[in-house]
Amino acid sequence: AQSVTQLDSHVSVSEGTPVLLRCNYSSSYSPSLFWYVQHPNKGLQLLLKYTSAATLVKGINGFEAEFKKSETSFHLTKPSAHMSDAAEYFCVVSYGGSQGNLIFGKGTKLSVKP
Amino acid sequence: NAGVTQTPKFQVLKTGQSMTLQCAQDMNHEYMSWYRQDPGMGLRLIHYSVGAGITDQGEVPNGYNVSRSTTEDFPLRLLSAAPSQTSVYFCASSPRSSPSTDTQYFGPGTRLTVL
Repeated sequence: AQSVTQLDSHVSVSEGTPVLLRCNYSSSYSPSLFWYVQHPNKGLQLLLKYTSAATLVKGINGFEAEFKKSETSFHLTKPSAHMSDAAEYFCVVSYGGSQGNLIFGKGTKLSVKP
Repeated sequence: NAGVTQTPKFQVLKTGQSMTLQCAQDMNHEYMSWYRQDPGMGLRLIHYSVGAGITDQGEVPNGYNVSRSTTEDFPLRLLSAAPSQTSVYFCASSPRSSPSTDTQYFGPGTRLTVL
């Protein structure tokens, strides 16, 4: 069965330091991959997505992610954390085909210390 | 555009009561879906629709009904509320009938407590 694993449930960084949120997916066939962000008491918002074009994907607010097929990974990075980045981040996988087949990771909560 | 709207924002029910969570979008999207979010579980798909008149079950459909009489609206009905249905519910939409590569647009959520 297809799956997506977010390797850390909670990541804490200091403001101005790099952010790394890790995501691995199962490799049945070529997926589309997304990162969504959820600020407290809000809905989810798309950060970036990979849909079989360039493997390095740039998103909003300075985030980027690299699709690595050999490692079945799609890790999210940002060079310098800002206080406003504190939120929960979800890695989402779609394997195409039938409808309704988006698979959400369990989420990584990012805390940013001043 | 208002995007995806959900009402109510908060709701408290007693066990056995029924209610309808409303969802509407004004982007003429074909695909609409309902998710529930529980701590440590991510989002789980309840029901989805690929167009007016067409609905199907997701991962956790038991205890919920949906209908899609118009493109814009996709209400979620709780038939007989149970404490296990205490959760935050999100409605989402995307432009085409298959969500494979499309951005999902989420509503602000409904926080439901069942006593």
